[in-house]
Amino acid sequence: NAGVTQTPKFRILKIGQSMTLQCTQDMNHNYMYWYRQDPGMGLKLIYYSVGAGITDKGEVPNGYNVSRSTTEDFPLRLELAAPSQTSVYFCASSYRTGVGETQYFGPGTRLLVL
Amino acid sequence: GIQVEQSPPDLILQEGANSTLRCNFSDSVNNLQWFHQNPWGQLINLFYIPSGTKQNGRLSATTVATERYSLLYISSSQTTDSGVYFCAVGDTGTASKLTFGTGTRLQVTL
Repeated sequence: NAGVTQTPKFRILKIGQSMTLQCTQDMNHNYMYWYRQDPGMGLKLIYYSVGAGITDKGEVPNGYNVSRSTTEDFPLRLELAAPSQTSVYFCASSYRTGVGETQYFGPGTRLLVL
Repeated sequence: GIQVEQSPPDLILQEGANSTLRCNFSDSVNNLQWFHQNPWGQLINLFYIPSGTKQNGRLSATTVATERYSLLYISSSQTTDSGVYFCAVGDTGTASKLTFGTGTRLQVTL
């Protein structure tokens, strides 16, 4: 299994441009998440999904949109990029068993908005 | 929202030393996870531990939910343990919406 994959690894955007960050998991997990990590900080939840067709906002959703048409894919859309969106973006997926949960993270996408 | 505080913020150890990292949280939780972010940025789940004690090799964790804290123990540290350790808490609910602390940055030297 490849686990959670993200593309691109790094991107520079100009202010006002748009882009889609791709996330794919091959573990058949129902739950998927998008986080952002600013320098020296912990991760903050942007959006999450509990299954295909179901998404909801996290702590910092403004300026972003998501969709979940399949179990495997959970793309994050940035509209009208702003310097405040310069960050590292992590996608994660998880499953639950009777004894708990494990979140698996992708390698991250580093985004610079100039 | 729930607040998560981790201490110490930075820690430098010599290889072979032991350490204890602490996570305090401001409200009741039924989901608590510890993660390690290596120097290349990759995040690895270490423990799911909303209460009790777990061990995995040289790492162990204890959560005292009634007192709202969790401890991560690293024994016989190795240079590969370097990185940032995050505690994240939340409510399982319909999805694990986690709130992360700001982390403990660990550097293990030879």
